[in-house]
Amino acid sequence: GQQLNQSPQSMFIQEGEDVSMNCTSSSIFNTWLWYKQDPGEGPVLLIALYKAGELTSNGRLTAQFGITRKDSFLNISASIPSDVGIYFCAGPNGSSNTGKLIFGQGTTLQVKP
Amino acid sequence: NAGVTQTPKFQVLKTGQSMTLQCAQDMNHEYMSWYRQDPGMGLRLIHYSVGAGITDQGEVPNGYNVSRSTTEDFPLRLLSAAPSQTSVYFCASRSGTGGLYEQYFGPGTRLTVT
Repeated sequence: GQQLNQSPQSMFIQEGEDVSMNCTSSSIFNTWLWYKQDPGEGPVLLIALYKAGELTSNGRLTAQFGITRKDSFLNISASIPSDVGIYFCAGPNGSSNTGKLIFGQGTTLQVKP
Repeated sequence: NAGVTQTPKFQVLKTGQSMTLQCAQDMNHEYMSWYRQDPGMGLRLIHYSVGAGITDQGEVPNGYNVSRSTTEDFPLRLLSAAPSQTSVYFCASRSGTGGLYEQYFGPGTRLTVT
């Protein structure tokens, strides 16, 4: 079945540093989503990508839809302590029109002030 | 709007007990889903619904039942709890229009089965 692999699994960085994480798939995706989960909360949608090659920004966050449609990248610039959390990539599970999602295992980000 | 709400926030069950996790949304969303989150495994889909009266299984449906009698509510039932069902459960909803896969999540229910 479809699988999403995220790397790295975890990151521990200094405040102010830039962060890069990626997500790869065993099959082609037509949509990529990036979610952030704060400790003790549900995931919140950060960025949605719908077109191969698309580059979308949301404040200090930038995400790209890989040209092969099998990967996506999320960059965070000038990290701050509130960036701490788990970042998930997600994509459609199967070809149905139900909105079913498959998630990567997450990248845990810790930021040292 | 309250968005997606879930109750309870925490629950401890003994093996074999049953319970219902509640989920409600006030955004008039057609689509609702239940996921479970286990360490290092991301979120996995349990059951989903594309509208009132219609439900279907996700990746990991065994041991769980759902029903959708109204647009607003989508309860998840554990018929006979097992320790393997210890997890954090998230309910999500999305509109039938706009971003097809842009789901909104509730705050979660943390369940421990002893």
